[in-house]
Amino acid sequence: NAGVTQTPKFRILKIGQSMTLQCTQDMNHNYMYWYRQDPGMGLKLIYYSVGAGITDKGEVPNGYNVSRSTTEDFPLRLELAAPSQTSVYFCASTPRGRDSQETQYFGPGTRLLVL
Amino acid sequence: KQEVTQIPAALSVPEGENLVLNCSFTDSAIYNLQWFRQDPGKGLTSLLLIQSSQREQTSGRLNASLDKSSGRSTLYIAASQPGDSATYLCAVTGGGSEKLVFGKGMKLTVNP
Repeated sequence: NAGVTQTPKFRILKIGQSMTLQCTQDMNHNYMYWYRQDPGMGLKLIYYSVGAGITDKGEVPNGYNVSRSTTEDFPLRLELAAPSQTSVYFCASTPRGRDSQETQYFGPGTRLLVL
Repeated sequence: KQEVTQIPAALSVPEGENLVLNCSFTDSAIYNLQWFRQDPGKGLTSLLLIQSSQREQTSGRLNASLDKSSGRSTLYIAASQPGDSATYLCAVTGGGSEKLVFGKGMKLTVNP
């Protein structure tokens, strides 16, 4: 299994541009998450999904959108990039939610710079 | 609102020391607590997960304890090595939520 994969690894955007961060997992996990990590800070939840077709907002959803058309894929969309969205973005998945004995598995991250 | 705190933010120690990393959380109604390791420029790797009904978990030189009533967890690292140098993050799930709430992490440097 490749686990959780994210593309691209690094991207520079101009203010107002849009892009999609890709996340794919091959472990057949139902739950998937998007986090952002700012320097010196912990991770903050942007959006999450408990299964295909179901998404919900996390702590910092403004400026982002998600979709979950398949179990494997959970793309994160930035419509109008702003400097405040400069961050490292992590995607994660887990078989089940809070009752799970298993942890969340994280992708390697996408580093985004908005200028 | 659940808040997770890790103090200190950074720690530098000589190789061979036994270490205790601290994590505190404000809402004791948690489902589980997890410790992660993050290497520079990398994603997070799970170290230990403690369910709310458990008191501790062990993996190799690592031992994590949980005291829900006091809102505290400790990660014990025995005989530290330079390869243990990384940022360690604590996170909790609870309050009827699927969401993990993270601390800001503690950057550990183990000097040879």
